[in-house]
Order: sequence, then structure tokens, then C-alpha cells
Amino acid sequence: SYVLTQPPSVSVAPGQTATISCGGNNIGSNVVHWYQQKPGQAPVLVVYHDSARPSGISERFSGSNSGNTATLTITSVAAADEADYYCQVWDSSIESPAVFGGGTKLTVL
Amino acid sequence: QVQLVQSGAEVKKPGASVKVSCQASGYTFNSFGVSWVRQAPGQGLAWMGYINTQTGDTNYAQNLRGRVTMTRDTSTRTAYMELRSLTSDDTAVYFCARCPTPSCYLKAFDRWGQGTVVTVSS
Repeated sequence: SYVLTQPPSVSVAPGQTATISCGGNNIGSNVVHWYQQKPGQAPVLVVYHDSARPSGISERFSGSNSGNTATLTITSVAAADEADYYCQVWDSSIESPAVFGGGTKLTVL
Repeated sequence: QVQLVQSGAEVKKPGASVKVSCQASGYTFNSFGVSWVRQAPGQGLAWMGYINTQTGDTNYAQNLRGRVTMTRDTSTRTAYMELRSLTSDDTAVYFCARCPTPSCYLKAFDRWGQGTVVTVSS
């Protein structure tokens, strides 16, 4: 089945830019969605279709996808952005069409 | 406003079954599919399957086929996920999530339920 690889953790100082990668074989040919999950809460969609933002999501969240890597970028990081972030794609595999990355813990220093 | 409200926590013995409900409000139920995602303690998200709320068609993760059944009741705007032959590995928080079309394929999960804790223990 399709595998998505995320770094376990990313740390960034307040006000700086955080980038979270999501690696997969030719992931650029897939549509990537990103979710934010804070402790004890349900996930929240922050970017869909590679780079689109749902209504109510800050413009500080953006996404890109090309080649073997998709990227979530968060500018002007604030303490409230500290959370786990998951990428997700739909694969043509019959084993598990929807696949999540392992998640990245974003720590705001 | 859009809401997905799930049933309460469950404690089950190994070998038993559990059925979790997800009641929708604030939108046209059969215009949006429902996926189920689970999260074991301290682990990441794992997709379980989805149901097309318009047709009732389902698509399950291969590792759960034969043990999971997803259904819906359009009259009560409720989706259900039943998991059978439970083991301790099924201990997790179970989430329902809405897709922006009746079929979830290729779509993002744009709204989520609050989660249901299922504990499997003897």
C-alpha cells in the first residue's frame, strides 16, 4: 500500500515559518489534504486539494505538492499552532484507498 | 451550524462487537459522505472506510474487511460503524468525518465528530 512519510517533529520559534513535509512516491500526481489535531480534540482540515484553504482557516496556512514531496507551510507561527499535523491522500490501491502520514508534532519554542 | 455528534464511550470484552453512531445536523445528510477514522492511544490516524450516504455503497480498508460494517439511516441523519470480533488492538478513539460529496473518494474530510473512545479489555 501507499506510504506517506512525515518527520516526527518540527520545532520553530514564534513568528518564524514552519514547513512540514510529506513524502510519497510521485505524490505530486495525488491530491493532498492536511489536518491539524490538538491534544484531546478531533482533527481539523487546514488545507485541501494540495493548496486550497477551507473557510475560516488563516491565510498563514498554505500547501504545495510536486514530485515526491508535499509541503505544509505555516507563516508567523504562534503558540496556538502547536499541534500534530497529518497529510492524507487517496490512492488507487485496493488495500486502503485513503492513507494518512504518520503525523508531525509542531512545537513552538 | 454543521455538527457531527457521536455516541458515548464504550468498554467491550475481547470477541465482542461495538456499534458507534454519528448523528449529523446543519446540512443535507445524503449530499455528504461519511468516513470513519480511528486513532489508537498515542498513535496516528488510520482510515477505516466510508459510506456513500446517497446510495449506501461502502468502501472499507482491506485490513478491516469482514469485521466492519458501515450503514446509514437517512430518516434520522445518522451513520453507524459496527466492528466485530474486537481485540485489544481495536482500543482507540473512533471519529466520523464528513466528505463534501456523497462519495468520499478523492475528497477531504471537512468536518469531524468529537470522537468515541472504545476500550477493549477483559
